[in-house]
Amino acid sequence: GAVVSQHPSRVICKSGTSVKIECRSLDFQATTMFWYRQFPKQSLMLMATSNEGSKATYEQGVEKDKFLINHASLTLSTLTVTSAHPEDSSFYICSARALETQYFGPGTRLLVL
Amino acid sequence: QKEVEQNSGPLSVPEGAIASLNCTYSDRVSQSFFWYRQYSGKSPELIMSIYSNGDKEDGRFTAQLNKASQYVSLLIRDSQPSDSATYLCAVNNAGGTSYGKLTFGQGTILTVHP
Repeated sequence: GAVVSQHPSRVICKSGTSVKIECRSLDFQATTMFWYRQFPKQSLMLMATSNEGSKATYEQGVEKDKFLINHASLTLSTLTVTSAHPEDSSFYICSARALETQYFGPGTRLLVL
Repeated sequence: QKEVEQNSGPLSVPEGAIASLNCTYSDRVSQSFFWYRQYSGKSPELIMSIYSNGDKEDGRFTAQLNKASQYVSLLIRDSQPSDSATYLCAVNNAGGTSYGKLTFGQGTILTVHP
């Protein structure tokens, strides 16, 4: 149980384009999902908390207009990186909360050329 | 002061030995504690959760919690090379607007050598 999927697993895009990443909880409903970013050899950095049916809560320093989050259902949250630039290249990981525990998706590796 | 602290390592143990990973946290009202394992290039995978003082065992893994000392540890018995990974300690914030958020330590790199 508690399986979280992400799609795509890897994406390469040109600078200036937008990229959408999907996060799904496959066998449970998640009113809250989280989006993290991880640069090489660094720890996870929480970007935002996604709540079903309401606006996401962004961490300090994360641009909400650049990283658009939509949590339209209890099993799906999406992160759209708008006008991506090379510095946005990173490993993006979502998690879904079931009771007290967060279960992580497999991550999406984004490379912006 | 970091909220969750771990020794970054690397911690190197021989195969078959016990690996001991330690974590301290600063928020005294924290209630939930987690250990995740992260292989290089992969996302974190939940190993253990612990909520009460004392020990919790699951197979080769034992989590230990001491809330008075604000200390969480993970013991891995009979360590295997496949246990080589980064181990992340995470603490669940107590409540309010931070409810459900995890605060992660920097992670301890564990290497189990044959």
